[in-house]
Amino acid sequence: QQQVKQSPQSLIVQKGGISIINCAYENTAFDYFPWYQQFPGKGPALLIAIRPDVSEKKEGRFTISFNKSAKQFSLHIMDSQPGDSATYFCAAGGSNYKLTFGKGTLLTVNP
Amino acid sequence: DAGVIQSPRHEVTEMGQEVTLRCKPISGHNSLFWYRQTMMRGLELLIYFNNNVPIDDSGMPEDRFSAKMPNASFSTLKIQPSEPRDSAVYFCASSLLGTGQYFGPGTRLTVT
Repeated sequence: QQQVKQSPQSLIVQKGGISIINCAYENTAFDYFPWYQQFPGKGPALLIAIRPDVSEKKEGRFTISFNKSAKQFSLHIMDSQPGDSATYFCAAGGSNYKLTFGKGTLLTVNP
Repeated sequence: DAGVIQSPRHEVTEMGQEVTLRCKPISGHNSLFWYRQTMMRGLELLIYFNNNVPIDDSGMPEDRFSAKMPNASFSTLKIQPSEPRDSAVYFCASSLLGTGQYFGPGTRLTVT
């Protein structure tokens, strides 16, 4: 199966809070897991990515947690800001370099 | 550095007309991907190229869709004839094989 399931569909967080978005995959051949951020009218922008040899990767306020045995990975946004309000997509890819995307999470950070 | 460049940014056409979307990948990238994004279906991969060669076109919805990459710095996606259900945002993305994909700003296509 090539499907990547993403949840929740939408998320509302207060400024300063933690935003958490989850994804699950089925294909054990996947070995590359990026997250993309998309603002209205723009293309998706690569935010952060992880490979299964590590369980966590942090870049600034953004952290990916990866659980290989559960075939799940998540994005944590610490100290969420109104400027983080966007749609976030997880994706998974394998040796053929194709990416399978989740359906997206609309994040709203209230001031 | 310039990112992925797509043109036109917006296209409005009538059903039955030919539509050509254009993409210039990031210099030095050797993989190019065409995606379609709609509210109903999300982001769908249509076709991708490695070193200008089409590798997988299984996502191309019908024979009305075709894509070419005549050289490392240019690709086109053509729809002929266009239909209202083709209305979507079409993205081009490029990557250096095995690394992250970088998306262009997209072409919003409306077929009336």
